[in-house]
Amino acid sequence: QVQLVESGGGLVKPGGSLRLSCAVSGFTFKDYYMSWIRQAPGKGLEWISYISTSGSEVSYADSLRGRFSISRDNSKNSLYLQINSLRTEDTAMYYCARAITVTNLFDYWGRGTLVTVSS
Amino acid sequence: EVVLTQSPGTLSLSPGERATLSCRASQSVNSRYLGWYHQKPGQAPRLLMYASSYRATGIPDRFSGSGSGTDFTLTINRLEPEDLGVYYCQQYGSSITFGQGTRLEIK
Repeated sequence: QVQLVESGGGLVKPGGSLRLSCAVSGFTFKDYYMSWIRQAPGKGLEWISYISTSGSEVSYADSLRGRFSISRDNSKNSLYLQINSLRTEDTAMYYCARAITVTNLFDYWGRGTLVTVSS
Repeated sequence: EVVLTQSPGTLSLSPGERATLSCRASQSVNSRYLGWYHQKPGQAPRLLMYASSYRATGIPDRFSGSGSGTDFTLTINRLEPEDLGVYYCQQYGSSITFGQGTRLEIK
């Protein structure tokens, strides 16, 4: 069955960096666009970034461009999100999600990894 | 960026009733790229509808979607206690955006 498992979250100080990972199984990873989406405590969903099947195309939310970097390793069935210069407002659950071909609507989600930014 | 505005903010209904949720876009959205999600407390969102009116795998026919352009609707018939949670619409155009959500409470 399709599984997406995020890891790499934790407590980090403002200004720090983190690299989140998403390990997938149960489908042919290299055939799907993937995204990262986050949700601050008690708030709604905020799309962060998507990456194409080969990694040649990436897109970021305008408000988050610059500090976030998405990448993938199709040989390892893994998706990554590098976050630099972390701010307290980056505190959130971070989800990876698989996109239905072409549509960038998300048919499978991981359970998320929690990032807490605090001094 | 397309802003999606969902209404109402909160809906409180009894089992067996019908829920009607609205998602209005600040500019026209291709209905092929409009989806709805359900998030139960403590869980990741789950895709309900894609391309505005197509049910995702495993979603019962109590759920239906409609709309085009800037106005989209999710209808849930014969509400069940498990339908509680927050419902989000989402679009993909030049970027990807979510609505702010509608909270559904079951009395």
